[in-house]
Amino acid sequence: QKEVEQNSGPLSVPEGAIASLNCTYSDRGSQSFFWYRQYSGKSPELIMSIYSNGDKEDGRFTAQLNKASQYVSLLIRDSQPSDSATYLCAVKDTGRRALTFGSGTRLQVQP
Amino acid sequence: KAGVTQTPRYLIKTRGQQVTLSCSPISGHRSVSWYQQTPGQGLQFLFEYFSETQRNKGNFPGRFSGRQFSNSRSEMNVSTLELGDSALYLCASSRGQGIPTSPGANVLTFGAGSRLTVL
Repeated sequence: QKEVEQNSGPLSVPEGAIASLNCTYSDRGSQSFFWYRQYSGKSPELIMSIYSNGDKEDGRFTAQLNKASQYVSLLIRDSQPSDSATYLCAVKDTGRRALTFGSGTRLQVQP
Repeated sequence: KAGVTQTPRYLIKTRGQQVTLSCSPISGHRSVSWYQQTPGQGLQFLFEYFSETQRNKGNFPGRFSGRQFSNSRSEMNVSTLELGDSALYLCASSRGQGIPTSPGANVLTFGAGSRLTVL
């Protein structure tokens, strides 16, 4: 079982819709969770971090964390074609292990 | 504030050669992590350095090595290159310390990457 799992997609949504990206992780000791966006040919850039159960909102983005279910998600409201990218989920435990990334979900927003 | 700088951006080598990649972290960041990214494997962790010490190491053969200098700049080296080493090598820096759940803790900022092609 992979440590951090994501559906590779592509996830296709129409412009203006809500895109829902999901991620599960295997290490119950995980404490820090991140969503990165990576455009084709570019390096990953941080969108959001979340550390506590519940929702965290930043503009059109909402991260949701459920530690009991070992599940973290990212919602993108009013999706725009410029949101088309690969979204990487990353997880960090409390120990000295490195940040572990999922394989990413490719999002396509159709105009 | 300058970002993470990686050099060179692109390079082409042949099998058996060795390569050295360089990374300058964000000023004040003491942790540098290296990742290999390929279409098939995604982002694979290579190693992390903090205050000149290797703090973590991924599951890569000994041909992959790295180091960090007193100014936090880091280099990674790949010896005896193989075709499968062709990848985007990403360096990321972070503060590298603090409570794991404190805001900003463990946030990685990536450089633009070094794209290595092995022929």
